[in-house]
Amino acid sequence: AQSVTQLGSHVSVSEGALVLLRCNYSSSVPPYLFWYVQYPNQGLQLLLKYTSAATLVKGINGFEAEFKKSETSFHLTKPSAHMSDAAEYFCAVRVAGGTSYGKLTFGQGTILTVHP
Amino acid sequence: DGGITQSPKYLFRKEGQNVTLSCEQNLNHDAMYWYRQDPGQGLRLIYYSQIVNDFQKGDIAEGYSVSREKKESFPLTVTSAQKNPTAFYLCASKDGAGLQETQYFGPGTRLLVL
Repeated sequence: AQSVTQLGSHVSVSEGALVLLRCNYSSSVPPYLFWYVQYPNQGLQLLLKYTSAATLVKGINGFEAEFKKSETSFHLTKPSAHMSDAAEYFCAVRVAGGTSYGKLTFGQGTILTVHP
Repeated sequence: DGGITQSPKYLFRKEGQNVTLSCEQNLNHDAMYWYRQDPGQGLRLIYYSQIVNDFQKGDIAEGYSVSREKKESFPLTVTSAQKNPTAFYLCASKDGAGLQETQYFGPGTRLLVL
């Protein structure tokens, strides 16, 4: 079975600073990996996804993530934080093939706070 | 505009009462999902449906029921058997297949117990 661990339930950065949100996964088969963002009392919006093409994936709003198989990681980064980036971020994994029926397994979420 | 709508935005349940959360999509997606979100626990899968008239239990189906009579609609009923229903409920539908497969989410319904 696959699982996802997000290190740090809360991350705080200053506006203009680097954003780094950590995600590690476990999967016995090649995974598809996703990052979603959730603003308060709203649904989840897809930021980016890794589907075994390029290991560096660029998403919306200036975010990107790098798939590192040796480290089983898929950390999310943004060079310069903006106040509007304050939200909760979820990493998710889906296994390829099999009978998973597209099931996503989510991490616990990381709340990003951006200080002026 | 294509998308997923959920209603109501807020729902109050009295003890012993069944309540139904609506989820509608006009994206022509075959697969639909219900997730429950609790603080600090991420999202957990309640039920999913790959096609009309078919649905399967997810990881936490106890105390919930669903139906899938139309492609566009996947309502979730929270029954009186669900002893801790207070949560944020998210509906999703899936686009594509294989590498292109992606789930898109509705705006959610927050269920509160009176």
